[in-house]
Amino acid sequence: KAGVTQTPRYLIKTRGQQVTLSCSPISGHRSVSWYQQTPGQGLQFLFEYFSETQRNKGNFPGRFSGRQFSNSRSEMNVSTLELGDSALYLCASSLDGHTGELFFGEGSRLTVL
Amino acid sequence: AQRVTQPEKLLSVFKGAPVELKCNYSYSGSPELFWYVQYSRQRLQLLLRHISRESIKGFTADLNKGETSFHLKKPFAQEEDSAMYYCALRAKTSYDKVIFGPGTSLSVIP
Repeated sequence: KAGVTQTPRYLIKTRGQQVTLSCSPISGHRSVSWYQQTPGQGLQFLFEYFSETQRNKGNFPGRFSGRQFSNSRSEMNVSTLELGDSALYLCASSLDGHTGELFFGEGSRLTVL
Repeated sequence: AQRVTQPEKLLSVFKGAPVELKCNYSYSGSPELFWYVQYSRQRLQLLLRHISRESIKGFTADLNKGETSFHLKKPFAQEEDSAMYYCALRAKTSYDKVIFGPGTSLSVIP
C-alpha cells in the first residue's frame, strides 16, 4: 500500500500570497488530519476531515482552511500568508478517525519571505 | 482543554542504560494516550498506545490516571533508539483530534 502522499514537498511564497497544499491518504482511509510543525510550537492540530466533513478544528485563524473530496483526498489553504506561517505542514490519515493511529506523510515545507 | 507536556527537550543516555521519557497530560475526561516516534529522515509513526498494553521495540508505557502520566520506558537503551519521541492524547469522544506534546529528543551514546 502506498503511504500518505503530500504535494508539493517544498515551496516558497511571499507575504500576502496564498498557498494550497495537497494530501492523498492511504487507500481506504477516510479520515485526514492536518498539523503545523514548527521548532518553537511543535505539532499543532489544524483540522480533521472525515467523509468530506470537518469534524475537528484547532485554534488557528480563519486564514487556514481545508476541504476533503469524495475520494478522501484533502487540501488545505492558507490565505494572506504571514512570515509566521513558515512551517512544515503534515498530513495524517487514519482508517475511520476513531483510533488515534495516524499515518503521516513527509510534509510540505512552506517558507514565507 | 487537552494538554500534553514533556518536560525534557533533550535526553542523553548511554547504550545499555535504562531510559524513561516523561509525559504528563491534562484532560478531565477519558483519554487515550500514545507515543509516536520520528527517526532521522523518516516519517512520524506510532510507537505504542496505552490500550493495547504492548511492548514495542522493548518500550513500554503505563497510563497512571492518578498522576496523569504516561511515561515511556525501556530497560536497556540501544543506539537505534535515538529519535524524537512525542507523547499524544486523544479524547475518546473527539474522533481523531490527536494532541501532541512538544517532543523529547533522545540521544543514545555508544
